[in-house]
Amino acid sequence: DTGVSQDPRHKITKRGQNVTFRCDPISEHNRLYWYRQTLGQGPEFLTYFQNEAQLEKSRLLSDRFSAERPKGSFSTLEIQRTEQGDSAMYLCASSPGSGEPGELFFGEGSRLTVL
Amino acid sequence: SQQGEEDPQALSIQEGENATMNCSYKTSINNLQWYRQNSGRGLVHLILIRSNEREKHSGRLRVTLDTSKKSSSLLITASRAADTASYFCATANAGKSTFGDGTTLTVKP
Repeated sequence: DTGVSQDPRHKITKRGQNVTFRCDPISEHNRLYWYRQTLGQGPEFLTYFQNEAQLEKSRLLSDRFSAERPKGSFSTLEIQRTEQGDSAMYLCASSPGSGEPGELFFGEGSRLTVL
Repeated sequence: SQQGEEDPQALSIQEGENATMNCSYKTSINNLQWYRQNSGRGLVHLILIRSNEREKHSGRLRVTLDTSKKSSSLLITASRAADTASYFCATANAGKSTFGDGTTLTVKP
């Protein structure tokens, strides 16, 4: 399977706990994006990487959120001290090359439920 | 807030009819893309139109772009029940793509 994979697909946690999501992009893709999507809304941009460099982070993203792509391959998104408002689908996407984004290849998402 | 806004929010048609969805955006763009999302799944890329293009076709899909009006439309011809999904436009600028809130299309068999 050469698509974008995300793990876990579903995560239920209690408020205040930390959670981490992993994304494995398509192997030759330089760019990796994280989006968040709530029910009835479109994906909301969180952050993106060009290889291992984090080029932009949304101002909407609180300090509780951190993302890494240490070797320019897989990426992790960590949410510390989760709140009920963090409940959402977290989507990862990758694309080849640099410059303006073309087609984004999305994973199936990681659904987070904070109780 | 999101860059793009789709219209209508929801659309219900009979199988065989055409479906038209519109997208308006606010800032200059390099390209505009349309994606499809089945319930609970990731997004799938449908078509990309560059800022210097006015119309593009792919199978039963036709996309237009009017940069003077900052708008785009997606036409799905001869719709099928399997086209039932949410459709999103995304505008590319400054290295990232920004999505609207989508049109939910229901095609009744």
